[in-house]
Amino acid sequence: GAVVSQHPSRVICKSGTSVKIECRSLDFQATTMFWYRQFPKKSLMLMATSNEGSKATYEQGVEKDKFLINHASLTLSTLTVTSAHPEDSSFYICSAGGGLADNQPQHFGDGTRLSIL
Amino acid sequence: QKEVEQNSGPLSVPEGAIASLNCTYSDRGSQSFFWYRQYSGKSPELIMSIYSNGDKEDGRFTAQLNKASQYVSLLIRDSQPSDSATYLCAVTPGGITGGGNKLTFGTGTQLKVEL
Repeated sequence: GAVVSQHPSRVICKSGTSVKIECRSLDFQATTMFWYRQFPKKSLMLMATSNEGSKATYEQGVEKDKFLINHASLTLSTLTVTSAHPEDSSFYICSAGGGLADNQPQHFGDGTRLSIL
Repeated sequence: QKEVEQNSGPLSVPEGAIASLNCTYSDRGSQSFFWYRQYSGKSPELIMSIYSNGDKEDGRFTAQLNKASQYVSLLIRDSQPSDSATYLCAVTPGGITGGGNKLTFGTGTQLKVEL
């Protein structure tokens, strides 16, 4: 079964709305989670690393004030797209490592398809 | 030079054939290697992980790693139409293992298995 849960799976909203996406690790604790976005027929683009109890680390070119990340517990990270505009429409995916043990791979949530009208 | 390189494809193989997907990486210190499958409109799904030189088999899938050549591959035996997807190669940074670490992805190879 799924080890990483992401919610919601789809959001359609008006321009200017803020949208929150949740990512949960289901049966393990994740001190680190990752947020990606993917445009149609393009590769995954890492947006930021979510760190439990501390600030997220953003990749170059990603606006931290636009994409707010909160990792308040060992099983939950949230991504909030603030004042979303049509250009923010994309497929957002989170991932988390399968536990703290070495060599455990990351698993992805099912993704959130965001459409801004 | 990209950190992780894959041929974008599409790679077309007939049903029942062996599909061979290749990936090269630039960081010689990398130690953990993963193959993910991504169907159109879906998120990536882990297929295989490999950490040591040689072959690792899981059902119809075999991952092959050659650290000296900085090369990792995925073989799919008895390819089925349901295997048609984009296959992503991912590598952890040199000297680091474990699931809590950032992966570097290739751009993916699109595989088409034809009837």
